[in-house]
Amino acid sequence: LAKTTQPISMDSYEGQEVNITCSHNNIATNDYITWYQQFPSQGPRFIIQGYKTKVTNEVASLFIPADRKSSTLSLPRVSLSDTAVYYCLVGVLEDTGRRALTFGSGTRLQVQP
Amino acid sequence: NAGVTQTPKFRVLKTGQSMTLLCAQDMNHEYMYWYRQDPGMGLRLIHYSVGEGTTAKGEVPDGYNVSRLKKQNFLLGLESAAPSQTSVYFCASSTPYGLADTDTQYFGPGTRLTVL
Repeated sequence: LAKTTQPISMDSYEGQEVNITCSHNNIATNDYITWYQQFPSQGPRFIIQGYKTKVTNEVASLFIPADRKSSTLSLPRVSLSDTAVYYCLVGVLEDTGRRALTFGSGTRLQVQP
Repeated sequence: NAGVTQTPKFRVLKTGQSMTLLCAQDMNHEYMYWYRQDPGMGLRLIHYSVGEGTTAKGEVPDGYNVSRLKKQNFLLGLESAAPSQTSVYFCASSTPYGLADTDTQYFGPGTRLTVL
């Protein structure tokens, strides 16, 4: 059973809002949910982080439902420079009770003019 | 303030050779991590450290060893390289925030390793 799941890819046009969801059914109690952006040949870069409800910063919003089993990264009015791979990162509880830090498989966002 | 740096940037090894990847951070972070990223794939945690002198296994630790002798450095060793270890290796660091597990990690630029 996958620890975290994300859509493989998404397409959008400039100026549109993009929502990317990550499912994490076994998120650990104290864990925050963090999203990263990665461009080719670079390391991931922090975008936003939250524990519950809604968090907003200058580049994105993060929506987390009450059960915290999923989270949605919202990018308002995307531009061509937002073309990248987006990852969620959470700590999940394994069957052994151990907390395992796990990146999602990544969502490749392609923004068209 | 350089953040997280990795040495070397590129390396080609023959099967059976050994090498050490160096990660250094100047942010005084407690936690450090080593990940590997295979082409078109996500990141998988190899080993991590929650403080100087401590290390722990991640998701894919086999074939790798690590050491954290100084707080600012985290070394990843391959004792006998195999073609399956061809990948891009990323180092990251973070600092704990209170009782919560925030894991806001700062990543290095990566080391591209090819094993022939």
